[in-house]
This record gives sequence, structure tokens and C-alpha cells, in this order.
Amino acid sequence: KAGVTQTPRYLIKTRGQQVTLSCSPISGHRSVSWYQQTPGQGLQFLFEYFSETQRNKGNFPGRFSGRQFSNSRSEMNVSTLELGDSALYLCASSLESGTNEKLFFGSGTQLSVL
Amino acid sequence: KQEVTQIPAALSVPEGENLVLNCSFTDSAIYNLQWFRQDPGKGLTSLLLIQSSQREQTSGRLNASLDKSSGRSTLYIAASQPGDSATYLCAVKGNQGGKLIFGQGTELSVKP
Repeated sequence: KAGVTQTPRYLIKTRGQQVTLSCSPISGHRSVSWYQQTPGQGLQFLFEYFSETQRNKGNFPGRFSGRQFSNSRSEMNVSTLELGDSALYLCASSLESGTNEKLFFGSGTQLSVL
Repeated sequence: KQEVTQIPAALSVPEGENLVLNCSFTDSAIYNLQWFRQDPGKGLTSLLLIQSSQREQTSGRLNASLDKSSGRSTLYIAASQPGDSATYLCAVKGNQGGKLIFGQGTELSVKP
């Protein structure tokens, strides 16, 4: 069974640009959540989607958005990139939302903003 | 607001030693607590999940305990090996929603 797949693995962008990251969950998983990881702030929750609906949202500005498709694949978008957006963006999936299930993480997308 | 703290931030031990990693959280109203492992530049691998009604979970050489009343969890690693070298993170899920709150992690180095 394939794991959580995130593309691309690396991205280099300049300030002001926008970027879209993709996440394909494990087959059959309907919940997808996104996290940002930086050396200073650690892992911070961005948002969670379940059955194409946003269930929870973290404390990030509106420049960060996401969506989930009917096949459970998810994308997140960051507009008007800032230097501080440089981070490892991790996607995680689980069968359901809000249950006692382990989360399965992808390898992440390393975003560098110059 | 839930806060999760992990001490120590870094730990170096010789191979074969038993060790304990600590995790504390400020709000005892949790749904579950998970321990993860992260290798450099990689994603997270879930090691153990303890539900709020449970006291401990075991998997191989790993044992995790949970004391909700004191807001503490420990991850015990028996007979450590160089392959255990990684960053270990604990995370709590509150009673509302699927959001995980992570600690800053403990970077473990096991020397041959």
C-alpha cells in the first residue's frame, strides 16, 4: 500500500510569488491535515480536510489556503510568499477525522523563499 | 491554550543503554497522545498512540506511558541502538477537532 505522497519534494520561490503543494493520502483515507515545520516554531497545524470540507484551521494568515478533492487528494496554496514562509510543509492522512487513529505523514515539501 | 514541552532538547547515549524521553502538557483534557520519530529532512513516523483512557502502550523496545492528571508522558526505549538516532516528538490531540499540538522534540543520538 502506497504511503502519503507529497509533490514536489523541493521548491524554490521568490517573495511575492504564490505556490501550490500537493498531497495524495493513503488509499481509503479521507482525512488530510497540513503542518508547517520550521526550526524556530517547530510543527504548527495549518488545516484539516475531511470529505472535501475544512474541519479545522490553525492560526495562519489568509494567504494560506487549501482544498480537498473528491478522491481525497489535497492541495495547499500560499499566495504572496514571504521569507518567513520558508519551511518544511508536511501532509498527514488518516481514515477518519477526530478519532483515535495514528496519523501517517508524507516526506514533506521543502519550500525556500528567496 | 495547550502547550507541549519536551525535555531534554538533545540527548546522547552509548549503544545498549535504556533511556527515557519526557513530554509534558498543560491541559489535561486530551483525546490522545502520540509519539513520533523524525529522521533528518524526512516526515514523521508514528510510533505509539495512547488514548486518554489508557495508561501505556508498548511496541517492541518502546513503551509509552501517560499520566493525564499530572500532564506527563514518557517514552522508554530499551537497549538503544544507533538506528534509534532521530528526533522524537510527542503530540497531543485536544477534545475538539483533529488538530495535533506538538512539542519541540528531543534529538537523540545513540553512539556505537
